[in-house]
Amino acid sequence: DVKVTQSSRYLVKRTGEKVFLECVQDMDHENMFWYRQDPGLGLRLIYFSYDVKMKEKGDIPEGYSVSREKKERFSLILESASTNQTSMYLCASSLRAVGGREQYFGPGTRLTVT
Amino acid sequence: GESVGLHLPTLSVQEGDNSIINCAYSNSASDYFIWYKQESGKGPQFIIDIRSNMDKRQGQRVTVLLNKTVKHLSLQIAATQPGDSAVYFCAEFAPSNTGKLIFGQGTTLQVKP
Repeated sequence: DVKVTQSSRYLVKRTGEKVFLECVQDMDHENMFWYRQDPGLGLRLIYFSYDVKMKEKGDIPEGYSVSREKKERFSLILESASTNQTSMYLCASSLRAVGGREQYFGPGTRLTVT
Repeated sequence: GESVGLHLPTLSVQEGDNSIINCAYSNSASDYFIWYKQESGKGPQFIIDIRSNMDKRQGQRVTVLLNKTVKHLSLQIAATQPGDSAVYFCAEFAPSNTGKLIFGQGTTLQVKP
């Protein structure tokens, strides 16, 4: 079974702090994704990566950056957290060989910025 | 732009009844669709998928129907159980999306005992 893990289930940070969200997958997937999920807005793609050191902006990249130094790990960085970044953050991965269609999700990190 | 939407935000059914969750999509180039289930406090979990060259696919207690003519997707759950209570998302994939899935808003399924 594919396993996608996220470093924290719940996180509380203060406005202006630098926040790191870590995601690790154990199935050698090339593609990795970061989403945020908000009531009424569904899942919105922040950034994705097709390979190590590669990254592409999703639909809402402002205020975020990412890092992919190793194939299994994809980090989301909030350079200076703001209250409007309070949300559920979901990481996902998929296998390029099958077209990258089926994405497997981690359990999510609920981030609160106060 | 493309969008994927679900017709109803909340669906309430009696335990044992069949459930039907609907989804409309707008990109006729989409060639792959997935249904996800998300339980409270958890990440979305893959339920079933279907490719555009099919119009029906069955799994264990679930069936997905695809009507490309009207760009409509549905998820049918047979003999709905309390454990089926969750938010259900449809997602579409088009090759032109460069590997990105487009998700619908989600429908909350409530199962009454």
